[in-house]
Amino acid sequence: AQSVTQLGSHVSVSEGALVLLRCNYSSSVPPYLFWYVQYPNQGLQLLLKYTSAATLVKGINGFEAEFKKSETSFHLTKPSAHMSDAAEYFCAVSVVGADKIIFGKGTRLHILP
Amino acid sequence: DADVTQTPRNRITKTGKRIMLECSQTKGHDRMYWYRQDPGLGLRLIYYSFDVKDINKGEISDGYSVSRQAQAKFSLSLESAIPNQTALYFCATSDPTRFPYNEQFFGPGTRLTVL
Repeated sequence: AQSVTQLGSHVSVSEGALVLLRCNYSSSVPPYLFWYVQYPNQGLQLLLKYTSAATLVKGINGFEAEFKKSETSFHLTKPSAHMSDAAEYFCAVSVVGADKIIFGKGTRLHILP
Repeated sequence: DADVTQTPRNRITKTGKRIMLECSQTKGHDRMYWYRQDPGLGLRLIYYSFDVKDINKGEISDGYSVSRQAQAKFSLSLESAIPNQTALYFCATSDPTRFPYNEQFFGPGTRLTVL
């Protein structure tokens, strides 16, 4: 079975600072990994996804994530935070043949002026 | 644009009432899902459906039922609502023929309050 752990339910960074949201996964077979973002009062939208084509994945709004098999991690980063990045972020995992996707509990990102 | 829509967007109801949340999609996806979101608990799967005749329970199906009326429609019912079912409910779809499998496409959510 697959699982996802997101470290830190709340993360605060200053505007202009590096954003780092941590995600570790567990899977006995090669995973597909996703980051979703939920802006206030909205549904979830896909930020980026890892499909084994490249370990460094670039997404929307300047975010990227790196798949590290040895560390079973898929951390999300952005070099310079913007106020509009304030949202909740969800990491998720799936595998070939699975009938559903497994979500982490989410990390709420706060941007300090 | 192909989309996932949910009605109503907000609903306040009383304990013991029956309520139905509806989800429609124009993406042509076979798979549909219902999740609830609670602060600190993330997204939890209630039910999912692979087609009209294939309905499966998720991790928290007690107190809920679903109906897949057509490929494009998937409804969630609370037969007798209780206050701890107050939450944000999301419908999602996925295309099993599209790589990577199980990528989810979400509706805007329904905020349900049970008094």
